[in-house]
Amino acid sequence: AQSVAQPEDQVNVAEGNPLTVKCTYSVSGNPYLFWYVQYPNRGLQFLLKYITGDNLVKGSYGFEAEFNKSQTSFHLKKPSALVSDSALYFCAVRDRSGTYKYIFGTGTRLKVLA
Amino acid sequence: DTAVSQTPKYLVTQMGNDKSIKCEQNLGHDTMYWYKQDSKKFLKIMFSYNNKELIINETVPNRFSPKSPDKAHLNLHINSLELGDSAVYFCASSQDTAHEQFFGPGTRLTVL
Repeated sequence: AQSVAQPEDQVNVAEGNPLTVKCTYSVSGNPYLFWYVQYPNRGLQFLLKYITGDNLVKGSYGFEAEFNKSQTSFHLKKPSALVSDSALYFCAVRDRSGTYKYIFGTGTRLKVLA
Repeated sequence: DTAVSQTPKYLVTQMGNDKSIKCEQNLGHDTMYWYKQDSKKFLKIMFSYNNKELIINETVPNRFSPKSPDKAHLNLHINSLELGDSAVYFCASSQDTAHEQFFGPGTRLTVL
């Protein structure tokens, strides 16, 4: 069965420091992988995706993520965190079979401290 | 122009009532979704339509029924509302079943 794990409920980082939000997945075959961000009282916004090709994916607002097939991970990173990056981050996976189903992780709350 | 819109934004109602939430997307997408986000922010897919055909129908009570009159609209009707239905419901759309999703602003449903 497909699953996505975000092992940290919350990540705290100082402004200007690099940040990492972790995501691991379990899916048969090669997955489609996504990161979304949710600000308070808003819908989710797409940040980036991995479909195929280069393992390092660059997305919106300076975020990037690295697809690591051997570790089945897709961690979200940013070299220098901003206070405005504070939000709830979701990792999502979809397999390439015909099930069409997206599985979202439980979310990680990122808090960037000034 | 709002890409994915939902109405109403807030819905407060009594147990046992029937209510509907409407969703419209102006992106020309083929696929639309309904999600439920609970108080712990867990996000669970409920339904998905692709070209007006139901392709995902998760284990939700049959009091919940989606309806897609055309590719741009996906409505959610809920019968006999229960306290546990209180949540934020999000509509989303995507170009097709493999692409990223665009989410609406959500409808906060409170059942008293």
